[in-house]
Amino acid sequence: DTEVTQTPKHLVMGMTNKKSLKCEQHMGHRAMYWYKQKAKKPPELMFVYSYEKLSINESVPSRFSPECPNSSLLNLHLHALQPEDSALYLCASSLYRDSDTEAFFGQGTRLTVV
Amino acid sequence: GESVGLHLPTLSVQEGDNSIINCAYSNSASDYFIWYKQESGKGPQFIIDIRSNMDKRQGQRVTVLLNKTVKHLSLQIAATQPGDSAVYFCADTGNDMRFGAGTRLTVKP
Repeated sequence: DTEVTQTPKHLVMGMTNKKSLKCEQHMGHRAMYWYKQKAKKPPELMFVYSYEKLSINESVPSRFSPECPNSSLLNLHLHALQPEDSALYLCASSLYRDSDTEAFFGQGTRLTVV
Repeated sequence: GESVGLHLPTLSVQEGDNSIINCAYSNSASDYFIWYKQESGKGPQFIIDIRSNMDKRQGQRVTVLLNKTVKHLSLQIAATQPGDSAVYFCADTGNDMRFGAGTRLTVKP
């Protein structure tokens, strides 16, 4: 199983809503990543988890709150988002942080904030 | 952090021609690089990788070249097909999987 599964595929939320994005992998990977991708732009790194601990936070606003409850799951909790937060949110995993192995990506969650 | 970036934002080629996509990196300590392909509405998909102890690696119709002297790598796609139309990114695992700007490849029939 070389899959990273993200749910939901699409999400529309109001600016006062609270929602969560989920990401799951069963490859035994110990590094997991969240990216934000706007149209015609590269994926922009948001957070990196290594062994279920937050290793990198790229100065992401606190309305995005990551969580790694176990080695297979990664969540991104969303609260009080702005319309400019509308984007494709990608999750990825790799064997270890900085390992010389590829990262596997999910298909993303297309988020629209209204 | 240091960046991985691409020279050209768009590339248009005729079907059957060879394509070359370039990438510059700035972290001289980087030792592992990956090329990803991203089709519209999908997540990035691994194409090929290369370690810094190599200067060339070949896959099926794809070749990656690494020039550590000038900190440059390239992706060559042989006999480009319409299904190759996508955005191509290089990434540096020594830079926590940060991506360069990407090159949009369009294949004309």
